[in-house]
Amino acid sequence: GNSVTQMEGPVTLSEEAFLTINCTYTATGYPSLFWYVQYPGEGLQLLLKATKADDKGSNKGFEATYRKETTSFHLEKGSVQVSDSAVYFCAPPASPGGYNKLIFGAGTRLAVHP
Amino acid sequence: NAGVTQTPKFQVLKTGQSMTLQCAQDMNHNSMYWYRQDPGMGLRLIYYSASEGTTDKGEVPNGYNVSRLNKREFSLRLESAAPSQTSVYFCASSEGDNVQETQYFGPGTRLLVL
Repeated sequence: GNSVTQMEGPVTLSEEAFLTINCTYTATGYPSLFWYVQYPGEGLQLLLKATKADDKGSNKGFEATYRKETTSFHLEKGSVQVSDSAVYFCAPPASPGGYNKLIFGAGTRLAVHP
Repeated sequence: NAGVTQTPKFQVLKTGQSMTLQCAQDMNHNSMYWYRQDPGMGLRLIYYSASEGTTDKGEVPNGYNVSRLNKREFSLRLESAAPSQTSVYFCASSEGDNVQETQYFGPGTRLLVL
């Protein structure tokens, strides 16, 4: 099956700093790729996704580009805010085709300070 | 729309006790999932239901049973709780079982087994 490796945290940044959270995966074919975010005390919610190679997903100022050559889907934001403090999960499908089973990385905790 | 709801929010059990975690969604989704989240390990799939009337094992099914009661509800049962089942449990749903579908998560149930 597929697998995912995600940058370990915690990541601590000052407000307005640039953010990169690395994510690489191994997969057969070109699966859809997802970033989910978990705010304190809440369940996960979709942040962005890319459904094909070279596709860029974006939402709330976050971006991630599906790069098949490097099998990466790094999350970036140009200027983080305190409200971005959360845990971020990279999630490719567990296996090609078939059911919608995702595999989640361990998560990267982001703390943004004023 | 309430989205995905879970009850209870928090539960303490003694080893050997049983309990059922409830999950319901009001989005008319076909597929539903149960995950557990442990520190440093991301989310792991326990069971899923691709559609009403079907259930299948995920990555960590041992010690759990599920029931897809109807299209809206998907319950998770612990027959004889063990301390290793102390975790946060999340229910999720998606419109279909295609790997491009977004999963929508409930707020979680925090379970402590003594």
